[in-house]
Amino acid sequence: NAGVTQTPKFRILKIGQSMTLQCTQDMNHNYMYWYRQDPGMGLKLIYYSVGAGITDKGEVPNGYNVSRSTTEDFPLRLELAAPSQTSVYFCAISRGDIAGGYTFGSGTRLTVV
Amino acid sequence: GEDVEQSLFLSVREGDSSVINCTYTDSSSTYLYWYKQEPGAGLQLLTYIFSNMDMKQDQRLTVLLNKKDKHLSLRIADTQTGDSAIYFCAESHSSASKIIFGSGTRLSIRP
Repeated sequence: NAGVTQTPKFRILKIGQSMTLQCTQDMNHNYMYWYRQDPGMGLKLIYYSVGAGITDKGEVPNGYNVSRSTTEDFPLRLELAAPSQTSVYFCAISRGDIAGGYTFGSGTRLTVV
Repeated sequence: GEDVEQSLFLSVREGDSSVINCTYTDSSSTYLYWYKQEPGAGLQLLTYIFSNMDMKQDQRLTVLLNKKDKHLSLRIADTQTGDSAIYFCAESHSSASKIIFGSGTRLSIRP
């Protein structure tokens, strides 16, 4: 089991460009999440999904979009990249049983210049 | 709203105990967690405690929960260089599918 796989690991974007951050899981968990981590700021929830076809906004959804067409995949889309979106992005999954906590991917480091 | 607060840095001598503290505001929190993040990696669940417990021990790790003061701590006994990492406190409650994270405490180890 790979668990949670995120690609790419690193990316540099120019202002106004778009890209998709990929997240794939092989643990058959229903719940999937996207967080961003800024230095000294902890993790902020961008979007989450409780199952295929269902997505909801988190604390900081502006500038991002998501889709969940399958249980396995939860891509995060940036349409018009801005310097404020420079961050490390983490995908996480859970069973939905909160006691089990989350399993995190290794992250995507994005720089917008 | 929900909030989780931690100090940003802690420095301890190798072999000493480390105590990382956390406060939270949501009195309906059901589970409280400690996650560890090593450089360049995602967060890894270290341990969690259910809100009706006041202590949990797991090898070198001891979690203490003071529900009245909404205070959570993580004690690492005999701290080693491999314990250098950022430690995140987090909380959730059973009616929510989301976990709220603190800002993380960076633990550094002095020889």
